[in-house]
Amino acid sequence: QVQLVESGGGVVQPGRSLRLSCAASGFSFRSFAMHWVRQAPGKGLEWVAAISYDGGFKDYGDSVKGRFDISRDNSKNTVDLQMNTLRPEDTAVYFCAANWDTGYWGQGTRVTVSS
Amino acid sequence: EIVLTQSPGTLSLFPGERAALSCRASQSVSSNYLAWYQQRPGQAPRLLVYGSSSRATAIPDRFSGGGSGTDFTLTISRLEPEDFAVYYCQQYGSSPYTFGQGTKLEIK
Repeated sequence: QVQLVESGGGVVQPGRSLRLSCAASGFSFRSFAMHWVRQAPGKGLEWVAAISYDGGFKDYGDSVKGRFDISRDNSKNTVDLQMNTLRPEDTAVYFCAANWDTGYWGQGTRVTVSS
Repeated sequence: EIVLTQSPGTLSLFPGERAALSCRASQSVSSNYLAWYQQRPGQAPRLLVYGSSSRATAIPDRFSGGGSGTDFTLTISRLEPEDFAVYYCQQYGSSPYTFGQGTKLEIK
């Protein structure tokens, strides 16, 4: 069955970096664009970043542009999110998701940015 | 950026009743690339409808989506106890891919 499993979350100080990873299985990973979406505590959903099926195109939300980098490894079926210069407002649960019309989402990993 | 406005913010209904949730876009959604999600506490969003009106895999037929351009609706024909949750619309026709603020469907 389809699985997306995020990892790498935790507590980090403002200004520091964190790398999230999402491991995919059960579908043709290399054929699908991938996304990261986040949800701050008690808030709604916010799209963070996207990467095309082959990694050739990347796109970011304005709030993370220049600080976050999305990448993928189709040989390992993983998509990563390198988060630099973290801010308290980056505190959220981070979900990875495949093509929007697949409905493939992970269960999320929690990131807390706090001193 | 396309802003999605959902209404109402909270909807209180009895099980068995019909629910109609609205999502209005600040500009036309390209190719009607509009999705609806259900989210229960502590869970990931669950895709219900994509392409404005196509039900996702394994979604019961009491859920239906409609609309085009800037006005979209999710209808739940007969509410079951498990349907009480938060619902989000999302446009994925143009970047940045935006979500509405959500409608909380609560038991009356």
